[in-house]
Amino acid sequence: QSALTQPRSVSGSLGQSVTISCTGPNIDVDDYNYVSWYQQHPGKAPKLIIYNVNKRPSGVPDRFSDSKSGNTASLTISGLQAEDEADYYCCSFAGSYTFGVFGGGTKLTVL
Amino acid sequence: QVQLVESGGGVVQPGRSLRLSCAASEFTFSSYGMHWVRQAPGKGLEWLAIIWYDGSKKYYADSVKGRFTISRDNAKKTLYLQMNSLRDEDTAVYYCARGVAGAFDQWGQGTLVTVSS
Repeated sequence: QSALTQPRSVSGSLGQSVTISCTGPNIDVDDYNYVSWYQQHPGKAPKLIIYNVNKRPSGVPDRFSDSKSGNTASLTISGLQAEDEADYYCCSFAGSYTFGVFGGGTKLTVL
Repeated sequence: QVQLVESGGGVVQPGRSLRLSCAASEFTFSSYGMHWVRQAPGKGLEWLAIIWYDGSKKYYADSVKGRFTISRDNAKKTLYLQMNSLRDEDTAVYYCARGVAGAFDQWGQGTLVTVSS
């Protein structure tokens, strides 16, 4: 199973933008389609915020977007709000019947 | 509104077994693949298992292969996880999640399993 690497923490000021990276050998042209991003507030279940190349579930604001460069996918949150403070996880299909490999998670602090 | 409600967690001794359930409602359960994902205390998410919409295929993470079994009863709209030979490192919150387009689009609230003597 491949591992996905995320920064342990990032921070940004209210109204600013922040980017969280997710690097892994399976984030290539094919598997990028299966990169997804999850937001988790303390004590709560994860919530899907991005999947399938910049698709957002109903109710997720367009302040959340993703992109890819080489083996790195990135989640960008623009116009930071206090409620964006949470843990964020990337996930990718890793092939060989491994249907989800998660990054280690990134704690976002909104200053 | 889609609902997934896990149950069956608790405290269990190492080497013993436990079965988790996930009751689904407000969507056509039999049309979706379903997953189990867990999160150890203070740690990240770990995918465990998937079962096809009709139960015809099942796949597992290496960490639980041979010990855990995923199953479903579409008539009862319920997903299960049978966990045998439990270890200390299986202590975690266990989530069921619906699979859509390679992602987990709906999650339950989780059930805590504590493996301890």
